[in-house]
Amino acid sequence: AQSVAQPEDQVNVAEGNPLTVKCTYSVSGNPYLFWYVQYPNRGLQFLLKYITGDNLVKGSYGFEAEFNKSQTSFHLKKPSALVSDSALYFCAVSAILTGGGNKLTFGTGTQLKVEL
Amino acid sequence: KAGVTQTPRYLIKTRGQQVTLSCSPISGHRSVSWYQQTPGQGLQFLFEYFSETQRNKGNFPGRFSGRQFSNSRSEMNVSTLELGDSALYLCASSSLTEYLSTDTQYFGPGTRLTVL
Repeated sequence: AQSVAQPEDQVNVAEGNPLTVKCTYSVSGNPYLFWYVQYPNRGLQFLLKYITGDNLVKGSYGFEAEFNKSQTSFHLKKPSALVSDSALYFCAVSAILTGGGNKLTFGTGTQLKVEL
Repeated sequence: KAGVTQTPRYLIKTRGQQVTLSCSPISGHRSVSWYQQTPGQGLQFLFEYFSETQRNKGNFPGRFSGRQFSNSRSEMNVSTLELGDSALYLCASSSLTEYLSTDTQYFGPGTRLTVL
């Protein structure tokens, strides 16, 4: 069974500083990894995904993520944080299901707070 | 393209009642998945439908059921509501083919269900 860990419940960063939100995963087979963001009273918004290829994945709103197979990590990064980036971030892994299709297994989420 | 839509956005029910939630996927998407989000359990997979067939089901009691129509719209039903069913129910759609697990799931805004 696959699993995802987000070791930090909350990350605080000053506006303009780089941010990192950590994620580690455990899967059998190839990892298909995703990052989503959730704003209050909203659904999940897709940011980026890693399927194969370049270990640095670029996504929406200036976010990127670095895939590291040896450390089984997929950390989300942004060079310069904005106050508007404050939200709940979820890392997820996708797995093929026996009936076909997939399901996402999510981490517990990391609350990002960007302060002026 | 219009995004995933869910109705209603908010629901208040009492214990023992039943509820039906609706989800319209992105046009052209044939796979619809449902997730439950609670503060205690996080995001959990309920079930996934493809071409009107439930392909996969998460670890939820039989009180949780769903269906998909020929236009890919989906409904989920919860019977005999319990207090613990209070949650944000999220629907996601993808253009998933039968075997790929890498397609992105796009989420709707969710339905907030409160059981009193």
